[in-house]
Amino acid sequence: QVQLQESGPGLVKPSGTLSLTCAVSGGSITNNWWSWVRQPPGKGLEWIGESEHSGNTNYNPSLKSRVTISVDRSNSQLSLTLSSVTAADTAVYYCARAATYNLDYWGQGTLVTVSS
Amino acid sequence: EIVLTQSPGTLSLSPGERATLSCRASQSVRSSYVAWYQQKPGQAPRLLIYAASSRATGIPDRFSGSGSGTDFTLSISRLEPEDFAVYYCQQYDNSPPRYTFGQGTNLEIK
Repeated sequence: QVQLQESGPGLVKPSGTLSLTCAVSGGSITNNWWSWVRQPPGKGLEWIGESEHSGNTNYNPSLKSRVTISVDRSNSQLSLTLSSVTAADTAVYYCARAATYNLDYWGQGTLVTVSS
Repeated sequence: EIVLTQSPGTLSLSPGERATLSCRASQSVRSSYVAWYQQKPGQAPRLLIYAASSRATGIPDRFSGSGSGTDFTLSISRLEPEDFAVYYCQQYDNSPPRYTFGQGTNLEIK
């Protein structure tokens, strides 16, 4: 059973950089693409982007200028950095495994608040 | 960019009733690119349906998906108390590659 666990600071200052990691267990990180999805409090889901172990990435055009996603094969981890954050970036951030055109395994999510 | 519009925004039904949730795309979408998720408060989304009509592993057969082109439907044949949640449709776009979600339908107990 694939398991994903997000971790990282729960509070980030405005204009700072949000950095999260996602530990993947129960399966190989090299066999799939891996996504980040976020959900502002009380709102819907927004796909941030995805990466695979060779370094290929795809990003949501609305966030592309501020986002970096990468896969660390040696540590079986996925990472997300989002720069120049504002209060609008406050959300629960999820990592998820991409199957064939859908996201089949999700982490429990981690809340990141942008505030001074 | 393909936009997904879900209706209704809120659906109030009683246990045992049938639920029908709609997802309309702004342009035609391949059925293989459409999925549905269930999300309960404080939990991550759970994949229910992929490729428009295939149930994910462990999903009860009271859940079914259908549709093609721009109109897709999630049906729940007989609502159980644990089915009351928010449901999202999702489509995959390959030019450029990206996932987009509908705004969600809140299925609440009447």
